[in-house]
Amino acid sequence: DIRMTQSPASLSASLGETVNIECLASEDIYSDLAWYQQKPGKSPQLLIYNANSLQNGVPSRFSGSGSGTQYSLKINSLQSEDVATYFCQQYNNYPLTFGSGTKLEIK
Amino acid sequence: EVKLVESGGGLVQPGRSLKLSCAASGFSFNDYWMGWVRQAPGKGLEWIGEINQDSSTINYTPSLKDKFTISRDNAQNTLYLQMSKLGSEDTAIYYCARGNYGSYDYWGQGVMVTVSS
Repeated sequence: DIRMTQSPASLSASLGETVNIECLASEDIYSDLAWYQQKPGKSPQLLIYNANSLQNGVPSRFSGSGSGTQYSLKINSLQSEDVATYFCQQYNNYPLTFGSGTKLEIK
Repeated sequence: EVKLVESGGGLVQPGRSLKLSCAASGFSFNDYWMGWVRQAPGKGLEWIGEINQDSSTINYTPSLKDKFTISRDNAQNTLYLQMSKLGSEDTAIYYCARGNYGSYDYWGQGVMVTVSS
């Protein structure tokens, strides 16, 4: 199984700040990577697919980058509604696997 | 509007079986892969498996392959998850989701399954 190591586990940032969340795959996943946002008590929502493609309706302050085994999610101009847990997911190989999540809070 | 609505959850005794359903609407169900993902209380997301459009290909996470069975009825626009030999470790919220070339672009609201005597 491909292991997805996500960091940090939690993050506290101020409104308007830029934050980065990292995801490291245990082998090359050839950009077959998605990022999801899960707000408290809600189901996950797709933000990014194919490592850097923004899902329809997602604000442009979210962006994804990376290749090979290293990927990141960047959130510019942090807003209060961005408080959530963020997960990465690889779909290069079965079984599909998720990172352990990054809980983002506002300072 | 794409809508996925799970049902069939609840309290079940250890060792028993349970079948979840996911009713889809707002899109052409038989054009999409569909998947199941679960989340234990306070924990992360665990992929269970997914099924292709005509049910000819079904993939599972290895640890659940012998316990869980995914199926679909395209005429009823419904996805299913049959779970057997349930244990406390299966207590979780179960989500169905629409496949998007490997990622999942729409998710249901989830259904809670609690395994306890």
